[in-house]
Amino acid sequence: AQSVTQPDIHITVSEGASLELRCNYSYGATPYLFWYVQSPGQGLQLLLKYFSGDTLVQGIKGFEAEFKRSQSSFNLRKPSVHWSDAAEYFCAVGGGYQKVTFGIGTKLQVIP
Amino acid sequence: DADVTQTPRNRITKTGKRIMLECSQTKGHDRMYWYRQDPGLGLRLIYYSFDVKDINKGEISDGYSVSRQAQAKFSLSLESAIPNQTALYFCATSGGQHNEKLFFGSGTQLSVL
Repeated sequence: AQSVTQPDIHITVSEGASLELRCNYSYGATPYLFWYVQSPGQGLQLLLKYFSGDTLVQGIKGFEAEFKRSQSSFNLRKPSVHWSDAAEYFCAVGGGYQKVTFGIGTKLQVIP
Repeated sequence: DADVTQTPRNRITKTGKRIMLECSQTKGHDRMYWYRQDPGLGLRLIYYSFDVKDINKGEISDGYSVSRQAQAKFSLSLESAIPNQTALYFCATSGGQHNEKLFFGSGTQLSVL
């Protein structure tokens, strides 16, 4: 069965510091992989997705993610975090003929 | 107007009551999903539908049922609500195949007393 593991429930970073959010997945075929962001009281917004091609994917708001098949990982990165990036981030896997499954999320706190 | 509309936005109900959450979309998408969000548990899939004649159980379908009335409409029912069904419920749609981006509604906050 497909699954997603986000090992970090909470992360705190200083504004301007770099960020990496971890995501590991289990999937039987070539996966669609996604990162979504949820600001407080809001729905989810797609940051980026990967299906094929270049394993380094650029998304909105300056985020990028790297697909590493050998590690079953799809970690999200940002070189310099802004206070407005404080939110909850969800990794997801699925697509094609399969449902989309989400991880439990990582809450990001940004301190001045 | 929103692409994915959920009604109601908030609902308080009592244990044992039947309740329906509705979702409609103007995206023209075939695929529709119902998720519930609980703190610390992320989004868990309740039911999904890849077209009007297709209904599939997700991870946590017990206590829920769905109806796909049309391509644009996908409703979620709680036949006899219980307190642990208190959660934030999201409807989502996608175009399927290589257009897998999910478009989410604004959510329905359901409280079962």
